[in-house]
Amino acid sequence: QVQLVQSGAEVKKPGASVKVSCKASGYTFITYAVHWVRQAPGQSLEWLGWINAGNGNTKYSQIFQGRVTITRDTAASTVYMELSSLRSEDTAVYYCARLTGYSDSSDYYEYLQHWGQGTLVTVSS
Amino acid sequence: DVQMTQSPSSLSASVGDSVTLTCRAGQNINTDLNWYQQKSGKAPKLLIFAASSLLSGVPSRFSGSGSGTDFTLTISSLQPEDFATYYCQQSYSTVFTFGPGTKVDLK
Repeated sequence: QVQLVQSGAEVKKPGASVKVSCKASGYTFITYAVHWVRQAPGQSLEWLGWINAGNGNTKYSQIFQGRVTITRDTAASTVYMELSSLRSEDTAVYYCARLTGYSDSSDYYEYLQHWGQGTLVTVSS
Repeated sequence: DVQMTQSPSSLSASVGDSVTLTCRAGQNINTDLNWYQQKSGKAPKLLIFAASSLLSGVPSRFSGSGSGTDFTLTISSLQPEDFATYYCQQSYSTVFTFGPGTKVDLK
């Protein structure tokens, strides 16, 4: 079955960077895109970006453009999300999620069916 | 980016009630709309994709409808395990966006 296993909790100081990993199993890694979503305490879900695991192409939210970098290691079936210049507002649980696509007679749909367990990143001096 | 709004932000209901949650997109997104359920401390769980398609294994008391800019999620007979927060998310754009969520709690 599809599984996404994320790295453990991190504590970082303001101005530092954090790199969170997401190891995939149970499917052909390069066939599916992986997205990153975060959730600050008591807040809604916030989309950060995604990577095409096959060709490495990425797309990022304008909010995080320049601070977030998503990469992948196909040999390790792992996707990484690095966020730089951390501030206290970046304290959140970060999730990876695998995209699934579905076609019917008229259209093509995409949704996030499989999620990692989440990684808590705490930014504190 | 496509802005998503949800209403109400929270609602209180009893087991057995029927509830309807609303999601609105800032522009036409056809039926590129997904619904997720999230319980405290857990990852979101996909319920409905393409506005009205129920994911396999999701109870049939959940249903979705809508197209264009206005969408609804209906839970026909609330069960104890349905008390959670529900998010809509658009996949019309390659830049995904989520709504702010609707929290359903026990009256």
